[in-house]
Amino acid sequence: GAVVSQHPSRVICKSGTSVKIECRSLDFQATTMFWYRQFPKQSLMLMATSNEGSKATYEQGVEKDKFLINHASLTLSTLTVTSAHPEDSSFYICSARAGGGALETQYFGPGTRLLVL
Amino acid sequence: LAKTTQPISMDSYEGQEVNITCSHNNIATNDYITWYQQFPSQGPRFIIQGYKTKVTNEVASLFIPADRKSSTLSLPRVSLSDTAVYYCLVGAGAGSYQLTFGKGTKLSVIP
Repeated sequence: GAVVSQHPSRVICKSGTSVKIECRSLDFQATTMFWYRQFPKQSLMLMATSNEGSKATYEQGVEKDKFLINHASLTLSTLTVTSAHPEDSSFYICSARAGGGALETQYFGPGTRLLVL
Repeated sequence: LAKTTQPISMDSYEGQEVNITCSHNNIATNDYITWYQQFPSQGPRFIIQGYKTKVTNEVASLFIPADRKSSTLSLPRVSLSDTAVYYCLVGAGAGSYQLTFGKGTKLSVIP
């Protein structure tokens, strides 16, 4: 099946620093990838849609200058949390859209746990 | 984006069949129904996807009535390792690929 990886799986950083999270589709090409955030005991919340070769589309309330997304190739999207603060601590999950035509299934990465001190 | 409604939680004993029903009254013509399983601190795992009638794979079955306003995920003979949150989502059809996660159903399997 379709496999999506994320790196790193866990990161701890100091407040004010930037953190980059990578999302890769390992065995398929993904023109579209998605970034979600999940707080404890809550559901996933879509942050942005990442399209290869174009600017990302952000959901309402998500700061595009704080969460920089780059989708430079059909297998890689990166999320950079700039000037991270403790309230950015969360579980970040990416997904990649596979398929085409009438049906397009999303496959999710294992997630990245971010802790900002 | 179609909204889904699921029970917040369910309990089941090991070895039983579990059926989780999801309602999606506003499903669009080109929407598919997809179920994901999520364990703590892991990304959602794809379980099954369907458009109408019945779909079966090695881990689950998905029943969708003719009006498509609901769907039922059936897990045969659950084990303790099936304890997880199960999400029902609609979308994934061409032109509606964004998924909106509801609260999901927390399934607890009891020995």
